[in-house]
Amino acid sequence: DSGVTQTPKHLITATGQRVTLRCSPRSGDLSVYWYQQSLDQGLQFLIQYYNGEERAKGNILERFSAQQFPDLHSELNLSSLELGDSALYFCASSVLTGVGYTFGSGTRLTVV
Amino acid sequence: GDSVTQMEGPVTLSEEACLTINCTYTATGYPSLFWYVQYPGEGLQLLLKATKADDKGSNKGFEATYRKETTSFHLEKGSVQVSDSAVYFCALSDPQGGSEKLVFGKGTKLTVNP
Repeated sequence: DSGVTQTPKHLITATGQRVTLRCSPRSGDLSVYWYQQSLDQGLQFLIQYYNGEERAKGNILERFSAQQFPDLHSELNLSSLELGDSALYFCASSVLTGVGYTFGSGTRLTVV
Repeated sequence: GDSVTQMEGPVTLSEEACLTINCTYTATGYPSLFWYVQYPGEGLQLLLKATKADDKGSNKGFEATYRKETTSFHLEKGSVQVSDSAVYFCALSDPQGGSEKLVFGKGTKLTVNP
């Protein structure tokens, strides 16, 4: 157990729907990062939050949004889902920069 | 922008063979370099890291040296085990790029046969 908890582990939904992925960071970690892993794009950075505020944005689609709550857990919202959104979505957390992250085990999203 | 290029896989070795997975990078600043490992059905685990030129990261028999002159961070192990079978990702983090995001290579799948 890495200490980073992601729920749910698996999600199957239809095109056009909206889903919410949840992440609880390791105790004491203020930064939360979201990544998408797909066969064609590999691992892509989506967004980072630090202590409730957005710190950096990557290749995140406008249909996707995220937030970090006062208790530091984070949610990634994916809407108007398309088949191409099927992927593994990872959350990671860290306390300091440059020392590497701790990743959760991911949420596998399948859009049918 | 920043990028990481790593050796295409898959790589298949016999137990106790030597392993090298090549990784080169392009960055505008002075990045930190990482190797992550992903076992089947799991998330990524940090294997080792190096934060400045000539640093050597090591863990579980794996080593990698930060070579600024060749912009490389090759992963090596002298004697692999079946339990090392996994996907290995090289990555960089360049704070001078204005973000703490990780930029990953495409991953190299390693299979070690008994």
